[in-house]
Amino acid sequence: QKEVEQNSGPLSVPEGAIASLNCTYSDRGSQSFFWYRQYSGKSPELIMSIYSNGDKEDGRFTAQLNKASQYVSLLIRDSQPSDSATYLCAVIGSGTYKYIFGTGTRLKVLA
Amino acid sequence: GAGVSQTPSNKVTEKGKYVELRCDPISGHTALYWYRQSLGQGPEFLIYFQGTGAADDSGLPNDRFFAVRPEGSVSTLKIQRTERGDSAVYLCASSLNFRGEKYFGPGTRLTVT
Repeated sequence: QKEVEQNSGPLSVPEGAIASLNCTYSDRGSQSFFWYRQYSGKSPELIMSIYSNGDKEDGRFTAQLNKASQYVSLLIRDSQPSDSATYLCAVIGSGTYKYIFGTGTRLKVLA
Repeated sequence: GAGVSQTPSNKVTEKGKYVELRCDPISGHTALYWYRQSLGQGPEFLIYFQGTGAADDSGLPNDRFFAVRPEGSVSTLKIQRTERGDSAVYLCASSLNFRGEKYFGPGTRLTVT
């Protein structure tokens, strides 16, 4: 079992819709969770961090964390074609400070 | 302010050669990380520095890989006797401290021919 799992996609959504990206992790002691956006040929760009159970909103983005289910998600409201990218989930596991990344989910927002 | 910078942006080298990749972190960031990313994969951890010392080098694939950060700022990743399998994008990230959010540089694309 991979430590951080994401569906590789592509996930296709129409412009203006809500895109829902999901991530599960295996280390139950993980405390810190991050979402990065990566455009093709570019480096990862931090979107959000979340540390506590529940929802955290920032503009069109909402991160959701459920530690009991070992699940973190990212919702993108009013999706735009410019949101088309790969979204990487990163987790800091127990006893460490390094990120473990998922393989990323490719999102395509159709105009 | 200035973000993380990495040089060179691209490096093509022949199998068996030695390469050095440089990372200049965000000013004031004490934690520095090296990752490697292959096509279609998430970044893979290599090594992490807190200040001048390597706090965790468990991701270095073998003894051909070595990294230094002598003054607690700029870091250099060194690869000896390069192999074709070393071809990847090498990413550097820094954070204010070891718990902080990590910010990535633009990466160095290494191609070993």
